Amino acid sequence: DTAVSQTPKYLVTQMGNDKSIKCEQNLGHDTMYWYKQDSKKFLKIMFSYNNKELIINETVPNRFSPTSPAKAHFNLHIKSLELGDSAVYFCASSQGTGGANVLTFGAGSRLTVL
Amino acid sequence: GQNIDQPTEMTATEGAIVQINCTYQTSGFNGLFWYQQHAGEAPTFLSYNVLDGLEEKGRFSSFLSRSKGYSYLLLKELQMKDSASYLCAAMDSNYQLIWGAGTKLIIKP
Repeated sequence: DTAVSQTPKYLVTQMGNDKSIKCEQNLGHDTMYWYKQDSKKFLKIMFSYNNKELIINETVPNRFSPTSPAKAHFNLHIKSLELGDSAVYFCASSQGTGGANVLTFGAGSRLTVL
Repeated sequence: GQNIDQPTEMTATEGAIVQINCTYQTSGFNGLFWYQQHAGEAPTFLSYNVLDGLEEKGRFSSFLSRSKGYSYLLLKELQMKDSASYLCAAMDSNYQLIWGAGTKLIIKP
């Protein structure tokens, strides 16, 4: 049983298209996240969602938007894709948000924009 | 600004010991994490330190000095499967994680 599952694993698309990545977790965690890992391997937080409170990293373009259609689901939507959006996107979850807040990551979704 | 520094790449020999250093500058501090990431896979949690000192967990140990803004991950009895990137992340006063770029560890037979 996969703890944090995200689909698709690979996504190849043209500039200007809109795409979505789905994520769900079965750990009973109450906080979920989206991270972007670029070619230099830095993990950058994009969004976190806890008890219906969404925290947005202000550096994320508004072409990116998350939704939570159901408990333990946290999807990422991207509009008007650009070349610079090519990266690996990780969904993650944790129990709570403070202190020893261990993240469990999904396997990642590699997005390639042509 | 907030910053994490760790070496880009290290090489070690199977069976040996390697120490991966990490220095951090954050606004406030709520702990230091180490994650392991194999190529093409998700990061997985290794250790968490919030108090000064050494935490040992099997072949892996993690050390923290809050006054120096310094941590290290010590890997003993290296195995080929330890070849991976090791990510250091510090939690700031807002409980936000600041990530380093990771140290790619190459193990040679």
